[in-house]
Amino acid sequence: DAKTTQPNSMESNEEEPVHLPCNHSTISGTDYIHWYRQLPSQGPEYVIHGLTSNVNNRMASLAIAEDRKSSTLILHRATLRDAAVYYCILGTYTDKLIFGTGTRLQVFP
Amino acid sequence: NAGVTQTPKFQVLKTGQSMTLQCAQDMNHNSMYWYRQDPGMGLRLIYYSASEGTTDKGEVPNGYNVSRLNKREFSLRLESAAPSQTSVYFCASSPNWRNEKLFFGSGTQLSVL
Repeated sequence: DAKTTQPNSMESNEEEPVHLPCNHSTISGTDYIHWYRQLPSQGPEYVIHGLTSNVNNRMASLAIAEDRKSSTLILHRATLRDAAVYYCILGTYTDKLIFGTGTRLQVFP
Repeated sequence: NAGVTQTPKFQVLKTGQSMTLQCAQDMNHNSMYWYRQDPGMGLRLIYYSASEGTTDKGEVPNGYNVSRLNKREFSLRLESAAPSQTSVYFCASSPNWRNEKLFFGSGTQLSVL
């Protein structure tokens, strides 16, 4: 399984943009990049996923490097509710998803 | 819309006892999954069911069995619980096996003494 590397933790202030990085230097051509987040005492929640092009949805944006060896999840305006553990996961279209330990995001008022 | 429902939410077992964790989804999804999450760690896949009538092992299947009872329900059974199985268990479902987004339940916190 392709591996991802994320910082253990990050901090942000409320209403500021947050850029959560993910390195995946061994990504294959058929690997999708998935992002999930887990709020305290809850199950993970889907955020976004993409293959090659940048993706946007109501929750976040996903910026994928041209060589696909890294990606960044962008929260445009952090809120207190965005405090969670964010998981960056690689998987082909038929793979089962393997979660790592993620990045713990703290948001300060 | 309930989504993915897990029961029970909390359970305490003694070593050697057996129990079944229940999971049901009301989204007409084909694929279902069981994960466990230990403190400070990510989720690890125990078993999954790509479609009704099929089940397969994930990363950490030892000590567990599963049943895909019907399209809605996917249960996880601990035949003889061990302290190492103390964990939070999450059930998830997805529309099909084509790796679309997963929907998770709220978890079952299990302690084995």
